[in-house]
Amino acid sequence: QVQLQESGPGLVKPSETLSLTCTVSGYSISSGYYWGWIRQPPGKGLEWIGNIYHSGSTYYNPSLKSRVTISVDTSKNQFSLKLSSVTAADTAVYYCARVSCHSDTNCPPDYWGQGTLVTVSS
Amino acid sequence: DIVMTQSPDSLAVSLGERATINCKSSQSVLYSSNNKNSLAWYQQKPGQPPKLFIYWASTRESGVPDRFSGSGSGTDFTLTISSLQAEDVAVYYCQQYYTTPYSFGQGTKLEIK
Repeated sequence: QVQLQESGPGLVKPSETLSLTCTVSGYSISSGYYWGWIRQPPGKGLEWIGNIYHSGSTYYNPSLKSRVTISVDTSKNQFSLKLSSVTAADTAVYYCARVSCHSDTNCPPDYWGQGTLVTVSS
Repeated sequence: DIVMTQSPDSLAVSLGERATINCKSSQSVLYSSNNKNSLAWYQQKPGQPPKLFIYWASTRESGVPDRFSGSGSGTDFTLTISSLQAEDVAVYYCQQYYTTPYSFGQGTKLEIK
């Protein structure tokens, strides 16, 4: 059973960098699939942030591209999100997820982490 | 970018009755390589992550009750619950995965009347 778990600070100051890690269990990232990040501001809808393959190939949402970096560490079976220059608008629950097709990013996420709330505030 | 618009924003249906949620994309999401529509439906309950219910517009994910069905093609899609159960109360989202940036509808809140 594939499981994902987000971790990282729950509070980030404005203008700083948000950093989250997703630890995957039950499947080796290096064996395939794209892995991604999605966020949800409190009481609002879902926004796709980006996907990464085990090779390091990435796809980002253009609305965030200048501030986002997604990376993968296959030795730790983890992938990570960095979002720079955060503002209050970046306050959200951040989910990590697995994309359901083995080697195609154009597929829906099927396994999701429980999510972690990150608040941007001084 | 493809904009996904759901209707209605909220819906109240009696137990045992049919519930219908609509989703419209600003451009076709029909994937020519497999002639399937790159459209998914998710169910989200409070405090939980979204759960994939339907993909390729009409394929139910394993374990999803058969009272849930998806239909539509091109730009217009529908999620139907044939006989509403209490456990179906949730927010439902559609998503296009045809092209990046992948985008979601604003959500439809389904309640019991």
